[in-house]
Amino acid sequence: LAKTTQPISMDSYEGQEVNITCSHNNIATNDYITWYQQFPSQGPRFIIQGYKTKVTNEVASLFIPADRKSSTLSLPRVSLSDTAVYYCLVGDIRIGGNTPLVFGKGTRLSVIA
Amino acid sequence: EAQVTQNPRYLITVTGKKLTVTCSQNMNHEYMSWYRQDPGLGLRQIYYSMNVEVTDKGDVPEGYKVSRKEKRNFPLILESPSPNQTSLYFCASSLSWGVANTEAFFGQGTRLTVV
Repeated sequence: LAKTTQPISMDSYEGQEVNITCSHNNIATNDYITWYQQFPSQGPRFIIQGYKTKVTNEVASLFIPADRKSSTLSLPRVSLSDTAVYYCLVGDIRIGGNTPLVFGKGTRLSVIA
Repeated sequence: EAQVTQNPRYLITVTGKKLTVTCSQNMNHEYMSWYRQDPGLGLRQIYYSMNVEVTDKGDVPEGYKVSRKEKRNFPLILESPSPNQTSLYFCASSLSWGVANTEAFFGQGTRLTVV
């Protein structure tokens, strides 16, 4: 199971782009990178997932370099409502892949007006 | 609407009084799991289930039991609750074991206080 390392916390002003980097040096060939968002007193919510290069959806972008040893979640023009904890997970999503859904401590993002 | 439903949302109980937190999903998911969340410790997995009648321990299983008699339900049982089990609990489900990291859906949470 690839270990992930993220900053414990980050602060940003409204309207700025926020980049949260996750380090996963031991990522395996069949591992995907997934990010979740959690608001206070709510369960985590899936944001984005990728394997390599760049993935973009309506919420965020995920940048993965060629060596895949890290990934960066990019949130464009954050607002106060983006204040949350963001979790980076790495695991095998193949049918029969043996990876439990394990969360670390995540990155607490605080957006300031 | 696809959802994971936990009950109760809030519970205050006394030490040693058995309790059950229910979890139900309507997405026909195979994989379900329970987490507890404590300040400074993040989300820690208690138990998970890969399918009916198949369960296994997560990182912090002591003091908890689970059962998976049918696909949609995955109750969490505290036979003899203690104050150190005061926490926020989440149930989650996803399509299958192998795609556990594709998208997991979480319940609203159960805030348990044991006095």
